[in-house]
Amino acid sequence: NAGVTQTPKFRILKIGQSMTLQCTQDMNHNYMYWYRQDPGMGLKLIYYSVGAGITDKGEVPNGYNVSRSTTEDFPLRLELAAPSQTSVYFCASSYPQGQGDEQFFGPGTRLTVL
Amino acid sequence: QQQVKQSPQSLIVQKGGISIINCAYENTAFDYFPWYQQFPGKGPALLIAIRPDVSEKKEGRFTISFNKSAKQFSLHIMDSQPGDSATYFCAAAGSGDYKLSFGAGTTVTVRA
Repeated sequence: NAGVTQTPKFRILKIGQSMTLQCTQDMNHNYMYWYRQDPGMGLKLIYYSVGAGITDKGEVPNGYNVSRSTTEDFPLRLELAAPSQTSVYFCASSYPQGQGDEQFFGPGTRLTVL
Repeated sequence: QQQVKQSPQSLIVQKGGISIINCAYENTAFDYFPWYQQFPGKGPALLIAIRPDVSEKKEGRFTISFNKSAKQFSLHIMDSQPGDSATYFCAAAGSGDYKLSFGAGTTVTVRA
């Protein structure tokens, strides 16, 4: 199993550009998450999904969009990139066994917006 | 607003020493408290977790202590090794909730 994979690893965007961060998991996990990690701020939840076709906002959704057409894929779309979106983005997945499921994280995408 | 407050932001410990990281929470609905470990350039990975029905859980050199009345929990790394140098995040989730609230993280450096 590859686990959770993310592409690209690094990306530099200009202000106003758009891009999609890809996330794929091969563990047949129902739940998937997108986080951003900023220095000294921990991990903030952007969006999450409990299954194909179902998504919901997390703590910091503004400026982002997601879709979940399959169990495996959960892409994150940035429209009109802004410097405030410079961050490291992590995708994660978990299998619902009840409260407190282990989340499995991808290696991250480091995004810089200039 | 950070639902889980973590301290210190960073710490340096000598090889063989004890690293202690503290977390506090306000939401009394939280009843699952995991710790995640993150190495540079990698995603976080679950290290150890505790539920409030016990006051302590130990796995190898890592121990979680939990104080329900004080709404605090801490991670102790005994006999710290250079390979333990990483960022550690505490987190919490409420009953029936699969979403985690993370602390701000603590960067631990173990000097040989």
